[in-house]
Amino acid sequence: AQSVAQPEDQVNVAEGNPLTVKCTYSVSGNPYLFWYVQYPNRGLQFLLKYITGDNLVKGSYGFEAEFNKSQTSFHLKKPSALVSDSALYFCAVRDGSGGYNKLIFGAGTRLAVHP
Amino acid sequence: EAGVAQSPRYKIIEKRQSVAFWCNPISGHATLYWYQQILGQGPKLLIQFQNNGVVDDSQLPKDRFSAERLKGVDSTLKIQPAKLEDSAVYLCASSFDGRNTIYFGEGSWLTVV
Repeated sequence: AQSVAQPEDQVNVAEGNPLTVKCTYSVSGNPYLFWYVQYPNRGLQFLLKYITGDNLVKGSYGFEAEFNKSQTSFHLKKPSALVSDSALYFCAVRDGSGGYNKLIFGAGTRLAVHP
Repeated sequence: EAGVAQSPRYKIIEKRQSVAFWCNPISGHATLYWYQQILGQGPKLLIQFQNNGVVDDSQLPKDRFSAERLKGVDSTLKIQPAKLEDSAVYLCASSFDGRNTIYFGEGSWLTVV
């Protein structure tokens, strides 16, 4: 079965510093990986996805993610964090078993950016 | 382009009462999903529709939850009777054909007291 793990419940970073939110995956076949962000009292917003090709994927709001096949990881990164980046971040993997695609989510990582 | 619309945004009910949530997906999207997000957890798929047919409802508690998408457009998720553990955010999402990016609505926040 497809799954993702987010090993950190919370990540704290100072504004202006680089940030990394970790995600590891376990899949059979080629992985299709996603990052979503959830702001307080809001739904999930799509940030970026990896399907194939370049291992460095660029997304919305200055975020990027690095796909690493040997380490089965898909970490979310941003060179310089903003206070407004504080939110809940979810990594997800596409599960196509049964012939129809759905997303399997990790438990989420809360990012806190301090001024 | 309008996003996924959900209503109501917030609902508080007593246990054993019933509640219904409505979702209108992005225009032209054939695939519609209902996810349940309990506080502190990632979203979990409850049911997936392809047009007006159910393709995955393996994690839907069918003794109390039901969902329909009669005309292949908007959808309703119902809970009857509600339990305390049903307190969660119910997220509706849609995708053009299930192979493309999945877009989520703002969610319907349910509190059962």
